[in-house]
Amino acid sequence: GAVVSQHPSRVICKSGTSVKIECRSLDFQATTMFWYRQFPKQSLMLMATSNEGSKATYEQGVEKDKFLINHASLTLSTLTVTSAHPEDSSFYICSARRVAEQYFGPGTRLTVT
Amino acid sequence: GENVEQHPSTLSVQEGDSAVIKCTYSDSASNYFPWYKQELGKRPQLIIDIRSNVGEKKDQRIAVTLNKTAKHFSLHITETQPEDSAVYFCAASMANTGNQFYFGTGTSLTVIP
Repeated sequence: GAVVSQHPSRVICKSGTSVKIECRSLDFQATTMFWYRQFPKQSLMLMATSNEGSKATYEQGVEKDKFLINHASLTLSTLTVTSAHPEDSSFYICSARRVAEQYFGPGTRLTVT
Repeated sequence: GENVEQHPSTLSVQEGDSAVIKCTYSDSASNYFPWYKQELGKRPQLIIDIRSNVGEKKDQRIAVTLNKTAKHFSLHITETQPEDSAVYFCAASMANTGNQFYFGTGTSLTVIP
């Protein structure tokens, strides 16, 4: 149990376009999901906390208009990177909370050309 | 807010030896301490966790110890194997509050055959 999927696993897009990443909890309901960004050889940087049915809570320095988060159901949260630029290229990982634990998706490698 | 420090940042051990990774935290309200293993390009996987009402927990070759007074917790891996090579992250949080995890900076463990 406690499986989290993420789609797509890799995406290449052109500068100025938008990209949507989906995070799903497959075998449990998650009222809270988290979105992280991870640079090579670095720790997980929390971007935002996504709560089902309410607005996401963004960490300081994360542009909410650029990284749109929607948590429309208890098993799905989406992150949309709007007007992507090369500096947005990174590894994005979501996690879903079940009781105290967090279970991570496999991540999405975003490359903006 | 919570601050989690992790040491060492890199660790090399001979196969069969033990590895110890240490973390400290600052917020005495934190009561849940998970450890994650992340292989290159993959998702972090929960390997063991401990709650503040317990001083030690063991699962086969992996153990975690917690000293609430000193606010530090450690991961111990015995009889290391090459497949233990990965990056390990500690985290601290307040369980059941929906609060975020505060991650350490990670330890890159290399087990030399």
